[in-house]
Amino acid sequence: DAKTTQPPSMDCAEGRAANLPCNHSTISGNEYVYWYRQIHSQGPQYIIHGLKNNETNEMASLIITEDRKSSTLILPHATLRDTAVYYCIVRAGGRASGSRLTFGEGTQLTVNP
Amino acid sequence: DAGVIQSPRHEVTEMGQEVTLRCKPISGHDYLFWYRQTMMRGLELLIYFNNNVPIDDSGMPEDRFSAKMPNASFSTLKIQPSEPRDSAVYFCASTTVLGTQYFGPGTRLLVL
Repeated sequence: DAKTTQPPSMDCAEGRAANLPCNHSTISGNEYVYWYRQIHSQGPQYIIHGLKNNETNEMASLIITEDRKSSTLILPHATLRDTAVYYCIVRAGGRASGSRLTFGEGTQLTVNP
Repeated sequence: DAGVIQSPRHEVTEMGQEVTLRCKPISGHDYLFWYRQTMMRGLELLIYFNNNVPIDDSGMPEDRFSAKMPNASFSTLKIQPSEPRDSAVYFCASTTVLGTQYFGPGTRLLVL
């Protein structure tokens, strides 16, 4: 699986949009971009994933650049409960991958009142 | 669905004792993963199963660690004998192929 690079920490004001970047310059054609988050002391929680098109769900939006070498997770209206470590993960598609995930160090997002 | 269930939630034991962690995956999920999280090493995959068969155990730190999945609804991770450096949070996760991994709440293990 391709390696990802994320800033170690970011701050965001409550109510504002939080934009979390991720670089995955070595991503290959069949690899998906996944985002998980981990709120302190809890298990990681799935947020969103995409292959090449932008995606949106009730939690967030995922913007993937046209060359797929980077992506941005957007939390449109951050709340204090969004304070967590956010992981960007590249995962191969298909059965051979076994659905495994490799977690990096992630970005600690702190939402301030 | 109750999600992935892990037990116990907390375990404190003394060095040399056997520790058994338990996991019940989400019904219908045919992949099960065991992870360990520490401050030093982050979240690392130990082993995963597909249809109850271990597929990749390359992350298991040493022979003191073993994992089994006797049926589709139950898995154990055993440490024997335990050592202080095994202190960590152990997570279990399950999914279907190409699906989203759902994580349990974790077991906090402290080995004194």
